[in-house]
Amino acid sequence: QSALTQPASVSGSPGQSITISCTGTSSDVGGYNYVSWYQQHPGKAPKLMIYEVSNRPSGVSNRFSGSKSGNTASLTISGLQAEDEADYYCSSYTSSSTLLNWVFGGGTKLTVL
Amino acid sequence: EVQLVQSGAEVKKPGESLKISCKGSGYSFTSYWIGWVRQMPGKGLEWMGIIYPGDSDTRYSPSFQGQVTISADKSISTAYLQWSSLKASDTAMYYCARPSAMVREFDYWGQGTLVTVSS
Repeated sequence: QSALTQPASVSGSPGQSITISCTGTSSDVGGYNYVSWYQQHPGKAPKLMIYEVSNRPSGVSNRFSGSKSGNTASLTISGLQAEDEADYYCSSYTSSSTLLNWVFGGGTKLTVL
Repeated sequence: EVQLVQSGAEVKKPGESLKISCKGSGYSFTSYWIGWVRQMPGKGLEWMGIIYPGDSDTRYSPSFQGQVTISADKSISTAYLQWSSLKASDTAMYYCARPSAMVREFDYWGQGTLVTVSS
């Protein structure tokens, strides 16, 4: 299956809000409410930030929020902070003959100006 | 505390075999799936496959089917990813990751194992 489509980069100033989009198809993003978002700092493992489109794991700042409309999911970070500078990946559970299947987006580099 | 601890970095030659590991602790190892994710240098995440250590049920991404083998030894709470004949294009960071109980997202990740394949 094809990777989900994300912008290569986004940027914002401290205190501002940014939104990262993640576009898939009706077979993945649009077909299930199982979109998740991961934050990855350089040289580190990914960290789960959002699951099931809009839920935050315990310990994740409420500055992070998720939504979905049709085949496109979005991650919004409000009140940008320097520590938010990282790569962000979306992911969607998908349907296939193997029953368990995931597809990731290509990643978006967030720069805090 | 849930932890996934992976084996150390490897440097191999093309054609060699390799098996890397991921040891789980702090939870019931046989009750959760464990997946493997590849990240090639400077690139994004790719899901490779997943195993349920309780009964060794294994599923592969079509992109990786036949290219790697995923296994687990529940007696030592360890999952494995192995290659029979490495290629230069296998050079990447490999992460193990545990999905949540609902098996829809990966809520715990290992620290990664860097595999370098070079002649």
